[in-house]
Amino acid sequence: DTAVSQTPKYLVTQMGNDKSIKCEQNLGHDTMYWYKQDSKKFLKIMFSYNNKELIINETVPNRFSPKSPDKAHLNLHINSLELGDSAVYFCASSQRGNHNSPLHFGNGTRLTVT
Amino acid sequence: AQSVTQLGSHVSVSEGALVLLRCNYSSSVPPYLFWYVQYPNQGLQLLLKYTSAATLVKGINGFEAEFKKSETSFHLTKPSAHMSDAAEYFCAVSGQTGANNLFFGTGTRLTVIP
Repeated sequence: DTAVSQTPKYLVTQMGNDKSIKCEQNLGHDTMYWYKQDSKKFLKIMFSYNNKELIINETVPNRFSPKSPDKAHLNLHINSLELGDSAVYFCASSQRGNHNSPLHFGNGTRLTVT
Repeated sequence: AQSVTQLGSHVSVSEGALVLLRCNYSSSVPPYLFWYVQYPNQGLQLLLKYTSAATLVKGINGFEAEFKKSETSFHLTKPSAHMSDAAEYFCAVSGQTGANNLFFGTGTRLTVIP
């Protein structure tokens, strides 16, 4: 199936740990994103990569480090996890510059930091 | 800068009644506007999009939205609510031309009463 897939779906971990979330898209898009959805459902962009280059880097703690090994993958690594990092993280992809290509979202990773 | 405001964090309608979810936008450039739906524990699914073609946009599941520049609005409607429409709905506006990143509203939770 063509889709944006992210793993894991659920991630429960303790404060101070380091964790990664993986994302892959097979839609042939050249741009990928990470969004954070907080407990009030508010969605905010964190990062965006176009052809493996960082193009959007919002005000996010530098404990968050995205990595894009190729244009079909965008992983998110988080160091020294804090309670406030608990949220749902969504990966998305699109074709940059083509506004007939909206964002396609993965099903999210629910991160719980205890 | 771009932003959207969704009026009403919760909307309840009876099954078969009209659905109206409000969205107003602010944009310094001609906007591209989107409505997404999020079902529980799922990612965001595109309902419809406005990309400067027809001002009345039809989407999936019987939803439509009308772009009104004079009112800076892009309200979502459906003539007859179905139980399966119960979900969270997000209005979004695109960022810089060609960048595709979306700025989301705070969402409106639609409840359908049998």
